[in-house]
Amino acid sequence: GAVVSQHPSRVICKSGTSVKIECRSLDFQATTMFWYRQFPKQSLMLMATSNEGSKATYEQGVEKDKFLINHASLTLSTLTVTSAHPEDSSFYICSASGRSNQPQHFGDGTRLSIL
Amino acid sequence: GEDVEQSLFLSVREGDSSVINCTYTDSSSTYLYWYKQEPGAGLQLLTYIFSNMDMKQDQRLTVLLNKKDKHLSLRIADTQTGDSAIYFCAERRNQAGTALIFGKGTTLSVSS
Repeated sequence: GAVVSQHPSRVICKSGTSVKIECRSLDFQATTMFWYRQFPKQSLMLMATSNEGSKATYEQGVEKDKFLINHASLTLSTLTVTSAHPEDSSFYICSASGRSNQPQHFGDGTRLSIL
Repeated sequence: GEDVEQSLFLSVREGDSSVINCTYTDSSSTYLYWYKQEPGAGLQLLTYIFSNMDMKQDQRLTVLLNKKDKHLSLRIADTQTGDSAIYFCAERRNQAGTALIFGKGTTLSVSS
């Protein structure tokens, strides 16, 4: 089955640090990648949708200058949390899909803890 | 309603069948999904059903879809302790493109 690799799996860093999370589709070309955020015991909240070669579409309430998304190739999207603060601590999960009628496949998530 | 609704908890004994229910929001949603999340991990796609199907079976998993009531269920036969996890129902609404809308998840606890 389709594999999505997400790195790093866990990050602990000081307030003010910028953190980059990578999402790669390993065995298929991902025309669309999605970034979600999950709080403890909550559902996944879509943050943004990114299509290869174009600007990401952010959901209402998500700061695009805070959460920078780059989708430079059909197999890689990155999410950079800029100047992270404790309230940015969360579980971030990416997903990728190929053709529009294909299901999304998820990475294993990144646990971000800002001290 | 605006939200995908799921019951929050389900507890079963090993060997029994588990049925997890979901009510989705958009009758024109094209695909409906079930994902499994184990502690600290990402989401694993279990199965999905296209909106023109009523039922789909895949080994121990059976998905039933009632479009009239916008109701989706996942039945796990012969539930094992390894099935303990959070199960998310998700719909893909036409107007949202391919973005998925998730329920809050049902925590399945299997006791031996």
